Amino acid sequence: DTEVTQTPKHLVMGMTNKKSLKCEQHMGHRAMYWYKQKAKKPPELMFVYSYEKLSINESVPSRFSPECPNSSLLNLHLHALQPEDSALYLCASSQAATGSNEQFFGPGTRLTVL
Amino acid sequence: GEDVEQSLFLSVREGDSSVINCTYTDSSSTYLYWYKQEPGAGLQLLTYIFSNMDMKQDQRLTVLLNKKDKHLSLRIADTQTGDSAIYFCAESIGAGNNRKLIWGLGTSLAVNP
Repeated sequence: DTEVTQTPKHLVMGMTNKKSLKCEQHMGHRAMYWYKQKAKKPPELMFVYSYEKLSINESVPSRFSPECPNSSLLNLHLHALQPEDSALYLCASSQAATGSNEQFFGPGTRLTVL
Repeated sequence: GEDVEQSLFLSVREGDSSVINCTYTDSSSTYLYWYKQEPGAGLQLLTYIFSNMDMKQDQRLTVLLNKKDKHLSLRIADTQTGDSAIYFCAESIGAGNNRKLIWGLGTSLAVNP
């Protein structure tokens, strides 16, 4: 299995809602990443988990809360988002945060905040 | 600071070669990557090169690295309409668990029949 899967594919939420994005990989990778991407822009790193521990938080607002329950799963909990948070949220994984560190991306969750 | 630059647009005819260029600033980068993104899709890793190499070939793709000038290029031979996409160059910076990628703005490749 060489895939990173993400659910849901699309999500529409109001500013008072709480929702979660999910990411899963079964490649035995020990590093997992959340990125935010606006249309026609490069992805912006949000969080990195390495061996299930948070290793990088790129000063992301607290309305985004990551969680890594085990080495295959990564969640992003959303609460009280703003319309400007509407974007494509991408999950990626790599074997570890060392070596060639090729990151493999999922298809993304397209989030719309009303 | 770290920066990666790419030209924003490239238009080629089907069957021609495409060359997408990238410059980076961090001389300590160990790995450099090329990703492809089709409309509405995630990012697909195309290839990567280690900084002690100057060339890597993989089927229709050739990566050239000039470490002295901090210049990276991706050549796509016999470009097809299915190659139309945004191509991102990225460099790996940092060490250990603090490694991350610095991304260029992406080059939008249009392939005309």
